Amino acid sequence: AQKITQTQPGMFVQEKEAVTLDCTYDTSDPSYGLFWYKQPSSGEMIFLIYQGSYDQQNATEGRYSLNFQKARKSANLVISASQLGDSAMYFCAMRESSGGYQKVTFGTGTKLQVIP
Amino acid sequence: DGGITQSPKYLFRKEGQNVTLSCEQNLNHDAMYWYRQDPGQGLRLIYYSQIVNDFQKGDIAEGYSVSREKKESFPLTVTSAQKNPTAFYLCASSIGGTVGTEAFFGQGTRLTVV
Repeated sequence: AQKITQTQPGMFVQEKEAVTLDCTYDTSDPSYGLFWYKQPSSGEMIFLIYQGSYDQQNATEGRYSLNFQKARKSANLVISASQLGDSAMYFCAMRESSGGYQKVTFGTGTKLQVIP
Repeated sequence: DGGITQSPKYLFRKEGQNVTLSCEQNLNHDAMYWYRQDPGQGLRLIYYSQIVNDFQKGDIAEGYSVSREKKESFPLTVTSAQKNPTAFYLCASSIGGTVGTEAFFGQGTRLTVV
């Protein structure tokens, strides 16, 4: 079974509009961390935002916010006021403990294209 | 500056040859990871290590081997047993002992087997 599921292979958004990228996860561990990364065409992985499983409030970092719905096991990324530079691949990831080790698992990603 | 260095950036090898990808970090992180990324695909975990001299298989470990003799180094060997080794390889590290810290990534190595 997939640990991290991103169901949107590609998304388009108009410049200055908001966009939501979906992510659902699967774990039985009560303590875990959820992350979003951006990967431009250059290939580097850029950390965007983090949400802890015990955090009561949704995480926000500038134009990025994470819509965390624990009961539904979803951690959607919301990008407000999209910019052309936001065009990239976006990956959702989860860090959990597995047999005493911390494992980080990624989804298959969503390719976001911002249209002028 | 602190960070993760992967070398080389591009690597070409003949089919049937073993090749070792380097990953060095000076962030004093305990945990290190290797991922494989294929075009248009997500990152798949190959191996990960929590401490020196200890590592665990990830989801696609077959055909790969690693070592962790030093905290700052986690080299990955792509062996001839790996059926389709051409891919983009990413190394990452993070603070160990907690699920609440992000992983830092190197710039990646693009391996092409001809």
